[in-house]
Formats: sequence, C-alpha cells, structure tokens
Amino acid sequence: NAGVTQTPKFRILKIGQSMTLQCTQDMNHNYMYWYRQDPGMGLKLIYYSVGAGITDKGEVPNGYNVSRSTTEDFPLRLELAAPSQTSVYFCASSYSKADGYTFGSGTRLTVV
Amino acid sequence: ELKVEQNPLFLSMQEGKNYTIYCNYSTTSDRLYWYRQDPGKSLESLFVLLSNGAVKQEGRLMASLDTKARLSTLHITAAVHDLSATYFCAVDPYRGQGAQKLVFGQGTRLTINP
Repeated sequence: NAGVTQTPKFRILKIGQSMTLQCTQDMNHNYMYWYRQDPGMGLKLIYYSVGAGITDKGEVPNGYNVSRSTTEDFPLRLELAAPSQTSVYFCASSYSKADGYTFGSGTRLTVV
Repeated sequence: ELKVEQNPLFLSMQEGKNYTIYCNYSTTSDRLYWYRQDPGKSLESLFVLLSNGAVKQEGRLMASLDTKARLSTLHITAAVHDLSATYFCAVDPYRGQGAQKLVFGQGTRLTINP
C-alpha cells in the first residue's frame, strides 16, 4: 500500500500566484485532513473532510480552499499566495478515532 | 479554546537514562495521541490513548493518560540514540464519533547523546 501520497514535495511560489497541493490515499479512509506546520511549531488544522463531497474548515482556513470529489483525493488550493503561507503542509487520513492519523510525506512551500 | 502544552520543549539526555515528557491540555478530552517526527520527515503515529488510565507500551516508550488531571506522559526507559526525534502529543476535543480534529502540542525535541 502506498498510504498517503502528497505532491509536490517542494515548491517555491511568488506572491500572488496560486497552486494546488495534491493528496491521495489508497486505504479507503473516509476522514482526510490538511495541516500546516510552521518552523519549530506544532501542526494546525486547515481543512478536513468526512467523506466525498463533505468538507469543513479547521482552525486556520483563510487563504485556502479544498474539494473532495472522491474518497481517495483531497487537494488543497492556495489562491493569491502570501509570505505567511510559507510552511510545510501535511495531508493525513484516518479510519476512525480509535486510530492515529496516517500522514503523507509533506510539501515544503516557500512564498517569496 | 483548547490549549495543548508540552514540556520540556527541548531535552538532551544521555543514553541509558530515563526521562518523561509531559503533555497538559486545557479542556475535557478522553482521546490523546502521540506522534514522532524525525528531522525533515513526516509524522508517525506512536500511541492512541482512548480512556482515563490508558497505558500503552512499545519498546522503550510508554504512554499514559490521566483525563482527570488532563495530563499525558511519554516515558522513555534506558534511552538509545535511535529515539532522537521530535515528539508531539495531540488531543481530540470533540466527543463522539466522526473526524478527529486534533489540536497538537508544540513538540518536544529529544536528543540522545552516546
């Protein structure tokens, strides 16, 4: 099993550009999440999804959008990138609250 | 707003010693998770604690949960260099089933010296 796959691994954006971070899981998990991790800090929840077609905001959703058209895919869209969005982004999925998250390998994004 | 605080934030210790990382949280919860992150890598699930008094052990690591004190501990026994990593606790503040909207602590960076 591949688990949770994120692409790209690294990206440099200019201020005002847009991009989509891809996340795919092959474990048939209903629950998927996007977190950001700033240097030396814990993770903060951006958006989450409980199944195809259902998404909701987390703690820090401003400047981001998500969609969930299939169980497998949960892309994160950055519109009008800002330096404050420089961070490492992690996608995760889970089967239930009795399980920990399975994390992807992360996307390191720099906005200049 | 749920706050999750870990201490210490930095810990340097010698191989063979024992130590404990503490995770305090500010609101009622009976679900707590521990993760490990190696430098530049993703996070790996270590322990899932789902009730008061829960204790889980894996090798030299043991985690416990006291929901009344709103405290979890991660105990390291006879540390070895391979355990050097950053350890995060995370709390699920929402009762019932559904999505785990975890709130993470700041992490404890553990360095184990030979």
